[in-house]
Amino acid sequence: ETGVTQTPRHLVMGMTNKKSLKCEQHLGHNAMYWYKQSAKKPLELMFVYNFKEQTENNSVPSRFSPECPNSSHLFLHLHTLQPEDSALYLCASSQASVLAGGLGSSYEQYFGPGTRLTVT
Amino acid sequence: SQQGEEDPQALSIQEGENATMNCSYKTSINNLQWYRQNSGRGLVHLILIRSNEREKHSGRLRVTLDTSKKSSSLLITASRAADTASYFCATDGGGDGNKLVFGAGTILRVKS
Repeated sequence: ETGVTQTPRHLVMGMTNKKSLKCEQHLGHNAMYWYKQSAKKPLELMFVYNFKEQTENNSVPSRFSPECPNSSHLFLHLHTLQPEDSALYLCASSQASVLAGGLGSSYEQYFGPGTRLTVT
Repeated sequence: SQQGEEDPQALSIQEGENATMNCSYKTSINNLQWYRQNSGRGLVHLILIRSNEREKHSGRLRVTLDTSKKSSSLLITASRAADTASYFCATDGGGDGNKLVFGAGTILRVKS
């Protein structure tokens, strides 16, 4: 148990559906992340939030829409996905980088168990 | 391009043996981290080594860092079947804050 929970753990959705992934951390962190892990590919950073502000969007298609209402919760809203979007979606949290613009040294990240997403 | 690249891609050893995994990266870093992932699960942080450190220990883990060669190694001593997992290095690109870039990982299998 890392202190980061994700729901649902498994999700099957059609290409026309709209669904949301939820992440919650109980560690008092101020930075949260979404990653995508596809088979045989390195972990891909999607979004970073520092103190509820988005500081990184790694050229993610607009069919993925993140939301961070507070430092403990992070959502990933999904709509009109493609089959190639099927993957394990991981949420993580950490201490926030305190320098201007969120730059500076990185901290260890705590990951949730992931949501296994299948797009049919 | 990818910051961290692990070598070997896969490693199979007998229980009790040592396992060594290597990571190379391309740009300057503030620190380098190693993570473990059991099949289909989230990653677990193992160890963080700062750019001014050369070696760090945590239990059966030993990490070295050579910034002149832009490389790091993770040694797991006296391996156990429970160590079977994928191992990733991650680097922060020397000032990109919380933006970590992960390598493709080494798949370790420990046979009992």
